[in-house]
Amino acid sequence: DGGITQSPKYLFRKEGQNVTLSCEQNLNHDAMYWYRQDPGQGLRLIYYSQIVNDFQKGDIAEGYSVSREKKESFPLTVTSAQKNPTAFYLCASSLFGVGKGNTEAFFGQGTRLTVV
Amino acid sequence: AQSVSQHNHHVILSEAASLELGCNYSYGGTVNLFWYVQYPGQHLQLLLKYFSGDPLVKGIKGFEAEFIKSKFSFNLRKPSVQWSDTAEYFCAVKSTGGGNKLTFGTGTQLKVEL
Repeated sequence: DGGITQSPKYLFRKEGQNVTLSCEQNLNHDAMYWYRQDPGQGLRLIYYSQIVNDFQKGDIAEGYSVSREKKESFPLTVTSAQKNPTAFYLCASSLFGVGKGNTEAFFGQGTRLTVV
Repeated sequence: AQSVSQHNHHVILSEAASLELGCNYSYGGTVNLFWYVQYPGQHLQLLLKYFSGDPLVKGIKGFEAEFIKSKFSFNLRKPSVQWSDTAEYFCAVKSTGGGNKLTFGTGTQLKVEL
Protein backbone atom coordinates (compact mmCIF):
# COMPACT_ATOMS: atom_id res chain seq x y z
CA ASP A 1 0.00 0.00 0.00
CA GLY A 2 1.19 3.53 -0.72
CA GLY A 3 1.40 5.86 2.18
CA ILE A 4 3.30 7.27 5.10
CA THR A 5 4.45 5.10 7.96
CA GLN A 6 5.37 6.48 11.34
CA SER A 7 6.82 4.30 14.02
CA PRO A 8 6.38 3.60 16.78
CA LYS A 9 2.81 4.64 17.57
CA TYR A 10 3.61 5.16 21.26
CA LEU A 11 7.00 5.98 22.70
CA PHE A 12 8.13 6.50 26.26
CA ARG A 13 11.48 8.00 27.20
CA LYS A 14 13.19 9.23 30.30
CA GLU A 15 13.93 12.89 30.65
CA GLY A 16 17.35 13.82 29.29
CA GLN A 17 17.44 11.12 26.62
CA ASN A 18 17.40 11.81 22.91
CA VAL A 19 14.81 9.90 20.91
CA THR A 20 14.35 9.43 17.16
CA LEU A 21 10.95 9.15 15.49
CA SER A 22 10.76 7.36 12.18
CA CYS A 23 8.87 8.52 9.08
CA GLU A 24 8.92 6.66 5.78
CA GLN A 25 6.91 7.34 2.62
CA ASN A 26 6.57 5.39 -0.61
CA LEU A 27 4.57 8.01 -2.49
CA ASN A 28 7.63 9.38 -4.31
CA HIS A 29 6.94 12.78 -2.79
CA ASP A 30 9.61 15.45 -2.82
CA ALA A 31 8.56 17.34 0.30
CA MET A 32 8.28 16.00 3.84
CA TYR A 33 7.21 17.72 7.03
CA TRP A 34 7.22 17.22 10.79
CA TYR A 35 4.52 18.76 12.94
CA ARG A 36 3.77 18.77 16.59
CA GLN A 37 0.12 18.70 17.64
CA ASP A 38 -0.87 19.99 21.08
CA PRO A 39 -4.46 20.60 22.28
CA GLY A 40 -5.65 24.07 21.33
CA GLN A 41 -2.53 24.87 19.34
CA GLY A 42 -3.19 23.06 16.10
CA LEU A 43 -0.27 21.72 14.10
CA ARG A 44 2.98 23.57 14.49
CA LEU A 45 5.72 23.03 11.94
CA ILE A 46 9.01 21.74 13.34
CA TYR A 47 11.08 21.08 10.20
CA TYR A 48 10.42 20.53 6.55
CA SER A 49 12.40 19.27 3.60
CA GLN A 50 11.70 20.05 -0.03
CA ILE A 51 14.39 17.83 -1.50
CA VAL A 52 16.93 15.20 -0.47
CA ASN A 53 19.87 16.51 1.56
CA ASP A 54 18.11 19.79 2.27
CA PHE A 55 15.78 20.89 5.05
CA GLN A 56 14.55 24.09 6.67
CA LYS A 57 13.51 25.05 10.17
CA GLY A 58 9.85 25.50 10.80
CA ASP A 59 8.27 27.62 13.50
CA ILE A 60 9.38 25.57 16.53
CA ALA A 61 12.66 23.89 15.54
CA GLU A 62 14.52 24.44 18.83
CA GLY A 63 15.39 21.16 20.53
CA TYR A 64 14.79 19.09 17.40
CA SER A 65 16.97 17.84 14.55
CA VAL A 66 16.28 16.06 11.27
CA SER A 67 18.07 14.48 8.34
CA ARG A 68 17.01 13.76 4.77
CA GLU A 69 19.53 11.35 3.32
CA LYS A 70 16.94 9.47 1.28
CA LYS A 71 13.84 10.71 -0.51
CA GLU A 72 11.58 8.28 1.33
CA SER A 73 12.86 8.89 4.86
CA PHE A 74 12.75 11.92 7.17
CA PRO A 75 13.58 10.96 10.79
CA LEU A 76 13.07 13.44 13.61
CA THR A 77 15.27 13.47 16.71
CA VAL A 78 13.86 15.00 19.86
CA THR A 79 16.87 16.07 21.85
CA SER A 80 17.26 16.65 25.57
CA ALA A 81 17.29 20.38 24.79
CA GLN A 82 13.59 20.31 23.95
CA LYS A 83 11.95 21.67 27.10
CA ASN A 84 8.50 20.18 26.64
CA PRO A 85 8.84 17.12 24.42
CA THR A 86 5.70 15.23 25.44
CA ALA A 87 3.36 15.62 22.47
CA PHE A 88 1.79 14.01 19.43
CA TYR A 89 4.11 14.15 16.42
CA LEU A 90 2.84 13.99 12.85
CA CYS A 91 4.81 13.41 9.69
CA ALA A 92 3.51 14.40 6.26
CA SER A 93 4.63 14.44 2.66
CA SER A 94 3.57 16.20 -0.53
CA LEU A 95 4.64 16.86 -4.07
CA PHE A 96 6.87 19.93 -4.15
CA GLY A 97 5.66 23.23 -5.46
CA VAL A 98 2.84 25.72 -5.28
CA GLY A 99 0.24 26.17 -7.96
CA LYS A 100 0.10 22.59 -9.10
CA GLY A 101 -3.06 20.61 -8.75
CA ASN A 102 -1.92 17.95 -6.35
CA THR A 103 0.34 19.34 -3.67
CA GLU A 104 -1.81 18.44 -0.70
CA ALA A 105 -0.06 16.78 2.20
CA PHE A 106 -0.67 13.21 3.23
CA PHE A 107 -0.25 12.35 6.87
CA GLY A 108 0.98 9.42 8.87
CA GLN A 109 -0.86 8.11 11.90
CA GLY A 110 1.42 9.91 14.30
CA THR A 111 3.67 9.04 17.22
CA ARG A 112 2.67 9.92 20.76
CA LEU A 113 5.82 10.63 22.72
CA THR A 114 5.72 10.71 26.50
CA VAL A 115 8.78 11.80 28.43
CA VAL A 116 8.83 10.86 32.09
CA ALA B 1 5.98 35.50 8.79
CA GLN B 2 3.10 33.63 7.28
CA SER B 3 0.20 32.78 9.54
CA VAL B 4 -3.21 31.17 9.40
CA SER B 5 -6.06 32.22 11.69
CA GLN B 6 -9.10 30.18 12.55
CA HIS B 7 -11.51 32.31 14.51
CA ASN B 8 -13.74 29.68 16.03
CA HIS B 9 -12.01 27.33 18.44
CA HIS B 10 -15.07 25.41 19.59
CA VAL B 11 -18.39 25.17 17.78
CA ILE B 12 -21.45 23.28 18.96
CA LEU B 13 -24.33 22.74 16.54
CA SER B 14 -27.48 20.68 16.37
CA GLU B 15 -27.95 18.23 13.54
CA ALA B 16 -29.21 19.86 10.33
CA ALA B 17 -27.84 23.27 11.29
CA SER B 18 -25.64 25.10 8.81
CA LEU B 19 -21.92 25.41 9.39
CA GLU B 20 -19.40 28.08 8.50
CA LEU B 21 -15.84 28.01 9.84
CA GLY B 22 -13.61 30.98 9.23
CA CYS B 23 -10.03 30.90 7.96
CA ASN B 24 -7.78 33.85 7.13
CA TYR B 25 -4.16 33.82 6.04
CA SER B 26 -1.52 36.52 5.83
CA TYR B 27 0.95 36.58 2.96
CA GLY B 28 1.00 37.22 -0.71
CA GLY B 29 2.06 35.35 -3.75
CA THR B 30 0.43 32.29 -5.21
CA VAL B 31 -1.44 30.28 -2.60
CA ASN B 32 -2.72 26.75 -2.31
CA LEU B 33 -5.43 26.41 0.34
CA PHE B 34 -6.63 23.32 2.17
CA TRP B 35 -9.10 22.15 4.75
CA TYR B 36 -8.29 19.00 6.68
CA VAL B 37 -10.44 17.04 9.11
CA GLN B 38 -9.41 14.85 12.02
CA TYR B 39 -12.11 12.52 13.30
CA PRO B 40 -11.69 11.20 16.86
CA GLY B 41 -8.90 8.64 16.93
CA GLN B 42 -8.11 8.98 13.25
CA HIS B 43 -5.43 10.72 11.29
CA LEU B 44 -5.76 13.90 9.27
CA GLN B 45 -7.68 13.65 6.01
CA LEU B 46 -8.07 16.16 3.22
CA LEU B 47 -11.57 17.65 2.92
CA LEU B 48 -10.97 19.95 -0.01
CA LYS B 49 -8.35 22.10 -1.71
CA TYR B 50 -8.03 25.21 -3.86
CA PHE B 51 -5.25 25.77 -6.38
CA SER B 52 -6.66 28.02 -9.07
CA GLY B 53 -9.78 28.70 -11.11
CA ASP B 54 -13.26 28.67 -9.60
CA PRO B 55 -12.95 30.12 -6.09
CA LEU B 56 -15.83 27.95 -4.86
CA VAL B 57 -14.52 24.46 -4.31
CA LYS B 58 -16.42 21.36 -3.33
CA GLY B 59 -15.01 18.60 -1.21
CA ILE B 60 -16.04 15.34 0.30
CA LYS B 61 -19.09 14.75 2.51
CA GLY B 62 -20.96 17.83 1.28
CA PHE B 63 -18.37 20.39 2.39
CA GLU B 64 -17.44 23.40 0.30
CA ALA B 65 -15.17 26.41 0.71
CA GLU B 66 -14.89 29.80 -0.93
CA PHE B 67 -11.61 31.55 -1.64
CA ILE B 68 -11.96 35.34 -1.42
CA LYS B 69 -8.63 36.77 -2.46
CA SER B 70 -9.41 40.33 -1.41
CA LYS B 71 -10.17 39.17 2.10
CA PHE B 72 -7.39 36.57 2.32
CA SER B 73 -10.07 34.13 3.41
CA PHE B 74 -11.01 30.52 2.74
CA ASN B 75 -14.11 29.75 4.81
CA LEU B 76 -15.50 26.24 5.09
CA ARG B 77 -19.25 25.65 4.80
CA LYS B 78 -21.78 22.87 4.98
CA PRO B 79 -25.52 23.50 4.60
CA SER B 80 -26.65 20.76 6.99
CA VAL B 81 -24.32 19.06 9.46
CA GLN B 82 -24.63 15.51 10.74
CA TRP B 83 -23.61 13.95 14.03
CA SER B 84 -20.81 12.17 12.14
CA ASP B 85 -19.25 15.54 11.29
CA THR B 86 -18.06 15.84 14.89
CA ALA B 87 -14.32 16.32 14.46
CA GLU B 88 -11.53 18.85 14.49
CA TYR B 89 -11.10 20.95 11.36
CA PHE B 90 -7.86 22.57 10.24
CA CYS B 91 -7.24 25.19 7.60
CA ALA B 92 -3.81 25.14 5.92
CA VAL B 93 -1.96 27.29 3.43
CA LYS B 94 1.04 26.80 1.20
CA SER B 95 2.39 29.83 -0.64
CA THR B 96 5.29 30.99 -2.74
CA GLY B 97 5.56 33.96 -0.38
CA GLY B 98 5.93 31.55 2.53
CA GLY B 99 8.75 29.53 1.04
CA ASN B 100 6.45 26.67 0.09
CA LYS B 101 6.05 25.54 3.65
CA LEU B 102 2.65 24.25 4.72
CA THR B 103 1.22 26.22 7.62
CA PHE B 104 -1.82 25.18 9.66
CA GLY B 105 -4.28 27.10 11.74
CA THR B 106 -5.00 26.22 15.36
CA GLY B 107 -8.05 24.16 14.47
CA THR B 108 -11.77 24.27 15.25
CA GLN B 109 -13.35 21.58 17.35
CA LEU B 110 -16.86 20.92 16.04
CA LYS B 111 -19.40 19.02 18.08
CA VAL B 112 -22.71 18.12 16.49
CA GLU B 113 -25.47 17.19 18.88
CA LEU B 114 -28.43 14.96 18.05
